[in-house]
Amino acid sequence: QQQVKQSPQSLIVQKGGISIINCAYENTAFDYFPWYQQFPGKGPALLIAIRPDVSEKKEGRFTISFNKSAKQFSLHIMDSQPGDSATYFCAARNTGKLIFGQGTTLQVKP
Amino acid sequence: GAVVSQHPSRVICKSGTSVKIECRSLDFQATTMFWYRQFPKKSLMLMATSNEGSKATYEQGVEKDKFLINHASLTLSTLTVTSAHPEDSSFYICSGTSGGSYEQYFGPGTRLTVT
Repeated sequence: QQQVKQSPQSLIVQKGGISIINCAYENTAFDYFPWYQQFPGKGPALLIAIRPDVSEKKEGRFTISFNKSAKQFSLHIMDSQPGDSATYFCAARNTGKLIFGQGTTLQVKP
Repeated sequence: GAVVSQHPSRVICKSGTSVKIECRSLDFQATTMFWYRQFPKKSLMLMATSNEGSKATYEQGVEKDKFLINHASLTLSTLTVTSAHPEDSSFYICSGTSGGSYEQYFGPGTRLTVT
């Protein structure tokens, strides 16, 4: 019940396209849902986050869509760029701890 | 965002020796710090949570006698891998959070290789 399931495992998108990564959870006690970007050999960096009382949040090219009833949330990267090529992790917070999804490796082709 | 540093960024040690990794919050007071482990092409797995001045709380399956965590101040936490073995080779990442904040700020990670 503490799991966060992330898909797809890998994603290839053309430059300028939309990248979409999905996550699903079971535990309704999760109270915060961040997305992280990680480059090889680096620590994860917070991209954008949402709380369960909000259905959508947009920051620049990044948008989180949150469906509380379906227990799903997704990251949309608009106008994807080669510099966005990285691994993306969704996470969910419960009692202060983050549970991470399995990760999605995004490759944006020029 | 807030900045967390880790030292060293890479370390190679011989089997049976101990190695210490430092995690510092540079511009905020980290009341809680977390230590994660990440294997290649895998997700982050929480190892332990530490509150300043208190004993760390370890996740199930993490050996507390092997992975010693100290959080002596609001800006410094250390992870000591004792009697390291090759299977302890991994990428170790710390994070910190302040007060009741929801956000965790991650360090750049430490690559440990045990030969």
